[in-house]
Amino acid sequence: LAKTTQPISMDSYEGQEVNITCSHNNIATNDYITWYQQFPSQGPRFIIQGYKTKVKNEVASLFIPADRKSSTLSLPRVSLSDTAVYYCLVGDGAAGNKLTFGGGTRVLVKP
Amino acid sequence: KAGVTQTPRYLIKTRGQQVTLSCSPISGHRSVSWYQQTPGQGLQFLFEYFSETQRNKGNFPGRFSGRQFSNSRSEMNVSTLELGDSALYLCASSRQEGLAVEQYFGPGTRLTVT
Repeated sequence: LAKTTQPISMDSYEGQEVNITCSHNNIATNDYITWYQQFPSQGPRFIIQGYKTKVKNEVASLFIPADRKSSTLSLPRVSLSDTAVYYCLVGDGAAGNKLTFGGGTRVLVKP
Repeated sequence: KAGVTQTPRYLIKTRGQQVTLSCSPISGHRSVSWYQQTPGQGLQFLFEYFSETQRNKGNFPGRFSGRQFSNSRSEMNVSTLELGDSALYLCASSRQEGLAVEQYFGPGTRLTVT
């Protein structure tokens, strides 16, 4: 599975847009990019997944450049409840479902 | 649709004992994976079961084992507990469409070993 690198932490304020960039230089052709959100003492929650270009859902947007060596999760107008750890993962389901989590990005939203 | 459920939610055991944790996946999901989360090591993959067969395995000692039943429910067992086994144990069930996989996690079981 491709290794990912993301910032350890980020601070933001309520109402702002938060962008978290993840590097995955050795992403494979079949790999998808998936982001999870985790609150303390809870299981990670699937946020968004993409393969290329831009993906958007009701929670976030995911931007993936043409070379796919990085991706950016965009959280619009964050609130205090968006304070969490965000994980970026890359991989595919060809060999089964084995997720390798990195350290994640701890996002703190301040009032 | 009900989410992934895990029982029990909290557990306290003493060193040397064994423990069994249970996971019920989302209806229709055939893959169940287990993870261990500790402050020091983060989220680590234990193993994955698919159609009652172990399909993937992480780097954990043989004290950690699991199984999956015909209804996709899964259990994991830890024998001869050590203090370092204290952790949040997470179960995830998966829906797969081609090579794209979405994993849905349960709330976890908080195991404390004293």
